[in-house]
Amino acid sequence: GAGVSQSPSNKVTEKGKDVELRCDPISGHTALYWYRQSLGQGLEFLIYFQGNSAPDKSGLPSDRFSAERTGGSVSTLTIQRTQQEDSAVYLCASSLGGRTFSNQPQHFGDGTRLSIL
Amino acid sequence: DQQVKQNSPSLSVQEGRISILNCDYTNSMFDYFLWYKKYPAEGPTFLISISSIKDKNEDGRFTVFLNKSAKHLSLHIVPSQPGDSAVYFCAALRGSQGNLIFGKGTKLSVKP
Repeated sequence: GAGVSQSPSNKVTEKGKDVELRCDPISGHTALYWYRQSLGQGLEFLIYFQGNSAPDKSGLPSDRFSAERTGGSVSTLTIQRTQQEDSAVYLCASSLGGRTFSNQPQHFGDGTRLSIL
Repeated sequence: DQQVKQNSPSLSVQEGRISILNCDYTNSMFDYFLWYKKYPAEGPTFLISISSIKDKNEDGRFTVFLNKSAKHLSLHIVPSQPGDSAVYFCAALRGSQGNLIFGKGTKLSVKP
């Protein structure tokens, strides 16, 4: 498809389990971003990739969170030993990337709704 | 501390009238501002943006105004339509950093 694709769309898991979320960006977009939106909150930045490298991991809330990107395309966000406060919608976005971001809107997927029981 | 604030969680407007959505920011280093629209169970959709060197940008029914001295921007929708009913997020970024800083959103309801 032409847009950002995320899977699964919904994930319910038990506390303590590991989860893996997938993002397939728009073809040709070199920049990829992960955000999350908790109930009643705005979008919170997690991590950004330019190509396969992650120059900015400042938003990852704990060392239980990690992300990788291979081949400059698909990215996975992994949450280990999930906690109830990890429940949120996890959104991925992509943009053309490059040296400056100002004129390159980020395009979002529909997100993965993660529920930790 | 929130760098981007949308102080009105909701707004209700009659169809055909103007909708004005407001956003305040604290970081004077932001050099680009964007508005996104979000329907339930969908990702945010880019609507319109403005560079910090401009004070107005218009795209059809949507106009964004920027007042740098007041660190305030607003999105005007004229005329409002029922299909405009959604949550609107204001976002900001610095050109040297890729991540967007979002406000908490304003839910717009346009009544027929």
